[in-house]
Amino acid sequence: DSGVTQTPKHLITATGQRVTLRCSPRSGDLSVYWYQQSLDQGLQFLIQYYNGEERAKGNILERFSAQQFPDLHSELNLSSLELGDSALYFCASSIGVASGNTIYFGEGSWLTVV
Amino acid sequence: DAKTTQPNSMESNEEEPVHLPCNHSTISGTDYIHWYRQLPSQGPEYVIHGLTSNVNNRMASLAIAEDRKSSTLILHRATLRDAAVYYCIPYTDKLIFGTGTRLQVFP
Repeated sequence: DSGVTQTPKHLITATGQRVTLRCSPRSGDLSVYWYQQSLDQGLQFLIQYYNGEERAKGNILERFSAQQFPDLHSELNLSSLELGDSALYFCASSIGVASGNTIYFGEGSWLTVV
Repeated sequence: DAKTTQPNSMESNEEEPVHLPCNHSTISGTDYIHWYRQLPSQGPEYVIHGLTSNVNNRMASLAIAEDRKSSTLILHRATLRDAAVYYCIPYTDKLIFGTGTRLQVFP
């Protein structure tokens, strides 16, 4: 158990809908990361937050948005869902943003768009 | 982002040591080298990381070349549970995963 909690574990929804994935970081961790992993692609970095502020952005679509709240939990919002958004979405956390910090991953939220 | 080169796949027998190589010739001087592994349908698992000196922990050892352009992850005695995709990642300002090395372990 990494200490990073993601909910829901599984989600099935229809195209055009909107979903929210939630992440609770490890106790004491200020930085949160989001990744997407689909069957035909590897782990894609989406976005990183540190202490409530966006710190780094990757290949995140405009239909997707994220935020980190004052209690440090984070949410990833996916809207106007398409079949191609079906994927495993991972959240990760670390104590800070230094290169030497260890990053711990959650077990993922499996999203299926039908 | 620093580019990495890893073999697509490697094989090992149980109880034997495994050396997983990684080239990261464009790494900057302050980037730590991180290794993660991922089992099917699971989140990536931290293995080890280092900057310049060789590092050891309960899971593995990390040998870093003097010029830091390459590193080797060493699993001292492979078990079936070590079968996974192993990722070598120079951590700049983002942790970017490449394609990794798929390690198969045979009984």
